[in-house]
Amino acid sequence: AQSVTQLGSHVSVSEGALVLLRCNYSSSVPPYLFWYVQYPNQGLQLLLKYTTGATLVKGINGFEAEFKKSETSFHLTKPSAHMSDAAEYFCAVSDAGTALIFGKGTTLSVSS
Amino acid sequence: GAVVSQHPSWVICKSGTSVKIECRSLDFQATTMFWYRQFPKQSLMLMATSNEGSKATYEQGVEKDKFLINHASLTLSTLTVTSAHPEDSSFYICSAYTTGSHGYTFGSGTRLTVV
Repeated sequence: AQSVTQLGSHVSVSEGALVLLRCNYSSSVPPYLFWYVQYPNQGLQLLLKYTTGATLVKGINGFEAEFKKSETSFHLTKPSAHMSDAAEYFCAVSDAGTALIFGKGTTLSVSS
Repeated sequence: GAVVSQHPSWVICKSGTSVKIECRSLDFQATTMFWYRQFPKQSLMLMATSNEGSKATYEQGVEKDKFLINHASLTLSTLTVTSAHPEDSSFYICSAYTTGSHGYTFGSGTRLTVV
């Protein structure tokens, strides 16, 4: 069975600081990995995804993530946080065509 | 890009009544539809998986007679919460899957409040 662990339910950074949200996965098959963002009372927005190929994936809004098979990790980073980045972030894993399995989420707070 | 239209976006219903939530893939055909439930401050929990023309597969602990899923066509799937109770109040989100570049496309969610 596949699973995702997001380390840190709450991360606080200052505006302009590096954002690092951690995600580790468990999968018996080559995983598809995703990061989503959710703003209050809204649906999910895809930030980026890894399926195959290049392990460093660039997404929207300056976010990127690196797939590290040896560490079973897919951490999300952004060099410089913006106030508008404050939201809930979810890491998810799937096998192609199966349901996405989500981590518990990380709340990102950005202070000025 | 791929769009999934989910309606209604929010609904308030009385305890004991039924509510239908609809998800339509507007510009693609979804081979599979996933339904999730999200309680406040929590993650998305998979409720069921449905394929067009087949009976839905429910996750453990999800009552199939309470949460009726119909996937009659490749562009429409519905979730009906029957005899709703306050504990069913939640955010329900659908996700349509298709092979190729579209992959997984989420609806915008439905906030259900049962009073």
